[in-house]
Amino acid sequence: GIQVEQSPPDLILQEGANSTLRCNFSDSVNNLQWFHQNPWGQLINLFYIPSGTKQNGRLSATTVATERYSLLYISSSQTTDSGVYFCAGVLLWDYKLSFGAGTTVTVRA
Amino acid sequence: EPEVTQTPSHQVTQMGQEVILRCVPISNHLYFYWYRQILGQKVEFLVSFYNNEISEKSEIFDDQFSVERPDGSNFTLKIRSTKLEDSAMYFCASRRDRDTYEQYFGPGTRLTVT
Repeated sequence: GIQVEQSPPDLILQEGANSTLRCNFSDSVNNLQWFHQNPWGQLINLFYIPSGTKQNGRLSATTVATERYSLLYISSSQTTDSGVYFCAGVLLWDYKLSFGAGTTVTVRA
Repeated sequence: EPEVTQTPSHQVTQMGQEVILRCVPISNHLYFYWYRQILGQKVEFLVSFYNNEISEKSEIFDDQFSVERPDGSNFTLKIRSTKLEDSAMYFCASRRDRDTYEQYFGPGTRLTVT
């Protein structure tokens, strides 16, 4: 079955708005990471968050491992936040990452 | 903060040509990975490498692909005879040791096969 699921698939925001992206993961996955893929295709590491909450500027993430989900919060969104946000988890039987399909965020000025 | 670097950022090649994509992982990391993302699709695992040998490879990683750590710093992915369907973003990642899980990704190389 699908190991990492993300929602929503697409999100359109007005500049300055806040948003929440969700990642659900199966029992076979843990040690979540969040990435931002910018419009040039580059993948940027955002958070390694197996559990708990972390914050970096306007972004924060929370993982509730016992309930198998993680949330990425974007506050006061800016046009530079546009792109695709991926979550990925480590497969328990090996160390490779299994990626979700991503959430495409478009922030309009 | 240490980071993974990749060169080139964009490579255009003709079908049938060989390409080598280069990565410099974080210096004290022991585990290395290549992932691929075809345009509009998920990022998918290609191969993992540890102690100078392949640990695991996906079914995508056929005989046309090879990896090498030619010196103490570089990690390369070679595609012997490129096909149109090899066009994708290729990402290198590294992980510190057996007891850590976080993978640090490079920005990627966009490979275009014409």
